[in-house]
Amino acid sequence: KNQVEQSPQSLIILEGKNCTLQCNYTVSPFSNLRWYKQDTGRGPVSLTIMTFSENTKSNGRYTATLDADTKQSSLHITASQLSDSASYICVVEGSNYKLTFGKGTLLTVNP
Amino acid sequence: DGGITQSPKYLFRKEGQNVTLSCEQNLNHDAMYWYRQDPGQGLRLIYYSQIVNDFQKGDIAEGYSVSREKKESFPLTVTSAQKNPTAFYLCASSIPGQVSGKQYFGPGTRLTVT
Repeated sequence: KNQVEQSPQSLIILEGKNCTLQCNYTVSPFSNLRWYKQDTGRGPVSLTIMTFSENTKSNGRYTATLDADTKQSSLHITASQLSDSASYICVVEGSNYKLTFGKGTLLTVNP
Repeated sequence: DGGITQSPKYLFRKEGQNVTLSCEQNLNHDAMYWYRQDPGQGLRLIYYSQIVNDFQKGDIAEGYSVSREKKESFPLTVTSAQKNPTAFYLCASSIPGQVSGKQYFGPGTRLTVT
């Protein structure tokens, strides 16, 4: 069964600190892995998309890594800001464009 | 929100009533999707459409219906047959088949049925 597991479920950090969110998946075959940011009550917004051959991708203060051998991905947030408070969702695309969504990690950045 | 609009943002209905959620996109995307989001769960696919006048059931289609008469529009009807309709509903669109075919999501509609 295709699954995407994210950890931790929730995380609280202080403004200015770094943090790393984890994503493990069992989706096969693998097409690409995406990270989305979802503010409370809003639709998700794409941060990065990585294919099999990419092992790192950055978008400003967000850096995603992918290890296709171990089927793990991480999202690193540098110098966190209050506006980073959101849910971060890992999504894996398998065959026939089918997406499997993780449950998300809820990040709270406190001043 | 990437050129996708959903209306209304909040919707309240009595049990037993059908309700239609609107989704419009001006991105010229062929593919459109409806997801449901419940607290503590990942997004679940209700219906998707890869082309006008064609749509497919997703993982939780029971109690829902859709139409795709125009490329820009993909309305979702929540029928009285849906057992637990209260949820946050998200519409998305994409260009299928592209390597970077990311999905663009609308702002969502929160439906409350009492």
